[in-house]
Formats: sequence, C-alpha cells, structure tokens
Amino acid sequence: ETGVTQSPTHLIKTRGQQVTLRCSSQSGHNTVSWYQQALGQGPQFIFQYYREEENGRGNFPPRFSGLQFPNYSSELNVNALELDDSALYLCASSGKGTAMLNTEAFFGQGTRLTVV
Amino acid sequence: AQSVSQHNHHVILSEAASLELGCNYSYGGTVNLFWYVQYPGQHLQLLLKYFSGDPLVKGIKGFEAEFIKSKFSFNLRKPSVQWSDTAEYFCAVNAHNQGGKLIFGQGTELSVKP
Repeated sequence: ETGVTQSPTHLIKTRGQQVTLRCSSQSGHNTVSWYQQALGQGPQFIFQYYREEENGRGNFPPRFSGLQFPNYSSELNVNALELDDSALYLCASSGKGTAMLNTEAFFGQGTRLTVV
Repeated sequence: AQSVSQHNHHVILSEAASLELGCNYSYGGTVNLFWYVQYPGQHLQLLLKYFSGDPLVKGIKGFEAEFIKSKFSFNLRKPSVQWSDTAEYFCAVNAHNQGGKLIFGQGTELSVKP
C-alpha cells in the first residue's frame, strides 16, 4: 500500500461526455502528478500540481484539466471524451514540489477509464 | 525531446535464470533514475532508485541496477528470477529542471515459467 488512493477504480463513459477522477495523496505529500497509461505503453505525464497550482504539463490538450485542494487531494477532469482517452489513469504523490529531484513518487492503483 | 528506451518488449525466462533488462535515456544533465514494477492488477511499485553516489544500486526483492553515465544506461538485473517476478517493468527518468515529471519507457513484460 502506498497511501495514495484513487476513485473510482473503473469507469465507462460515452464519447463526448465529461469525467472526473479523484486522488487522495499520501499523508504529508504536497505534490500530485497525473499520468495516462494506454494499453501496452508506459505512463505518460499529463500534469503536476504543487500547493494547488499547476506546475508542469505534458503534451495533452486543454480538455484535460485538474485541481488540487487545500488538503492536497486532486481531481483530473477530461471534457469531450474521445475513444483514445480509454486508458489507465494514474495519480502519484510526492513530498517535494517544483524540482522534485531526489524524491520518489508513490502511485495509486489507477482508474481504468473506458470510452465507448 | 527526452526519451527512455527499453530494449525488450517481452522477456520469457525459466525460474532460476538470470535477468537483465536494458534501459537507455536521452538527457545530458543531472537525472534521477528509477525502476518500477507493476504486478497484474496492482499499482506501480518502486523497485529501486538512483539519485547520486554509488552507481550500483540495490533494490527490493533481490533486484539491482547499474547506472553507466557514459552510456546513458540504467540496466536492471537479478541473478535468479522466480515465478513471482512475473510482471511488467518500467524504467523512468526524472531530469533536472524538467518540472518533476517522470518519463517512462514503454515497459518490458517479464514472464517467468515455473
């Protein structure tokens, strides 16, 4: 157990709909990152939140957005879902912020999103 | 663009065989290096990490990895695999001044036959 919890574990949505995924970070961690893992691929960085501000973004369109709350939990929102958004979405928390060097990320079990 | 390359997509071994999984990255600056394992239905778990110092690092479950800076490599090894090592293995890099994002390789699926 990493102390990082994600909900829901599985989700099925229709193309064009919107979805919100949730993540509770490990106690004491102020940084949350989100990753998308397509089938047979390694995780791809979506964005990172540090103390409620977006702090780095990968190559994902603006319809992928997020929030971090004062308790450092986080949400990932995806609008106008496309079939290619079907993937495992992973949340990772860590204890350091901006540089995040010399620290490790702890991953949740992920949310399996299927878009039909 | 930075990238991480894992040489083998799928490796099949018999129990007690030795394992070496290759990982190369493309970034010339300071890096942190990681190997993660993903057992079926479970979350990504950290096997080992390199931050600085001794380039030979030891992790959990008998795994070790060697950082060779001149070759931009961080290969994972285990002298004798067990059936329970069947999983997907990911190499990841966190590069200095890159906002803390982890760049993952595409993964290597390891199947160990009993």
